[in-house]
Amino acid sequence: GAGVSQSPRYKVAKRGQDVALRCDPISGHVSLFWYQQALGQGPEFLTYFQNEAQLDKSGLPSDRFFAERPEGSVSTLKIQRTQQEDSAVYLCASSPGQKNQPQHFGDGTRLSIL
Amino acid sequence: GENVEQHPSTLSVQEGDSAVIKCTYSDSASNYFPWYKQELGKGPQLIIDIRSNVGEKKDQRIAVTLNKTAKHFSLHITETQPEDSAVYFCAASMNTGFQKLVFGTGTRLLVSP
Repeated sequence: GAGVSQSPRYKVAKRGQDVALRCDPISGHVSLFWYQQALGQGPEFLTYFQNEAQLDKSGLPSDRFFAERPEGSVSTLKIQRTQQEDSAVYLCASSPGQKNQPQHFGDGTRLSIL
Repeated sequence: GENVEQHPSTLSVQEGDSAVIKCTYSDSASNYFPWYKQELGKGPQLIIDIRSNVGEKKDQRIAVTLNKTAKHFSLHITETQPEDSAVYFCAASMNTGFQKLVFGTGTRLLVSP
């Protein structure tokens, strides 16, 4: 497709379960970002990949959050032992990679933890 | 780290009026300032951006101004239309090898016919 694709669009899980969220960036985009957006707030940075290398993970809230991009294209954000405060929209964005190139966002995955 | 404040949180205008949303940032090293429009159930969509070497940029009904001295930037929408109704976010980033966008808290714009 032409844009960033995220799946699933909605995910409901019970507290304590593990979840995996998928992001398909725009083809050829080197940079990939994950953001977390709480209800009524702006997106907050979680982590950044350049190709397959995770260069910044300073925004990950705890060691229960893990992200990977093994082949430099599709990325997965995994949350282990989910808690209610993990409920949010998780957004993925990609950019060509050159300096100051715009980030293009997917429509996100809305995660609800019961 | 960077902190971005955005005002107002809600803005109601009549169709055809202008709308202005203002943001301030804290880190003088920030040099890239995009604006995003987010509709319900959708991801943020880039509508315009400005870099620190430019004071103003315009694209049809949308313009952005940047005052580096005061560390604030503004979004101006003229001749508003009902389809402009959405939540608008400003953001700032430093060019430290990649863009780590720091977002404002958003402005809900309602354009009434």
